[in-house]
Amino acid sequence: DQQVKQNSPSLSVQEGRISILNCDYTNSMFDYFLWYKKYPAEGPTFLISISSIKDKNEDGRFTVFLNKSAKHLSLHIVPSQPGDSAVYFCAASGYSGGGADGLTFGKGTHLIIQP
Amino acid sequence: DTGVSQDPRHKITKRGQNVTFRCDPISEHNRLYWYRQTLGQGPEFLTYFQNEAQLEKSRLLSDRFSAERPKGSFSTLEIQRTEQGDSAMYLCASSLERSEAFFGQGTRLTVV
Repeated sequence: DQQVKQNSPSLSVQEGRISILNCDYTNSMFDYFLWYKKYPAEGPTFLISISSIKDKNEDGRFTVFLNKSAKHLSLHIVPSQPGDSAVYFCAASGYSGGGADGLTFGKGTHLIIQP
Repeated sequence: DTGVSQDPRHKITKRGQNVTFRCDPISEHNRLYWYRQTLGQGPEFLTYFQNEAQLEKSRLLSDRFSAERPKGSFSTLEIQRTEQGDSAMYLCASSLERSEAFFGQGTRLTVV
């Protein structure tokens, strides 16, 4: 039973355009959401987070949107750059059974930025 | 501080052997987490410590797995009687209270 779902295994975007990565969750107890970026043979790197009391958080080229009623969040990257090519993981935290404060991750989306 | 450090980076072991991994968190972080990641999956939560207390254990953590965090500093994860299904990347992360967790580079375990 996957509580955090990233339904697109991969996404290809042209350099300079907007990348939109999507994530859905099923557990209404999640109250804190994060995006991580991962390069091969490295650990995940924190990108941006959002609390359930907000619907948007912005940090430079990265913006995360949260739609609680739809149990959906998205990460927007604009403009996309070649160094953004990586696997992006959506993660959620809350009293979900995955550990009260442990993170529950999606399977990831491989973002490929084409020149 | 250079971030979360894990040792070793790679470990190859024969089935049935015991292995131990070490994690050194960011020094001021009081929370420490262990995760496991297999190919094509996201990291899966195993256990977490608040200071030296182990507060949560996933059902993924069988009785062959044990984790410690003596004195609330570094942590060790031991796997006894390793099985081929234990082959994975073992990730450690730390955080300050309930904030974003910072991950180490992981220990890749291969059981042959």
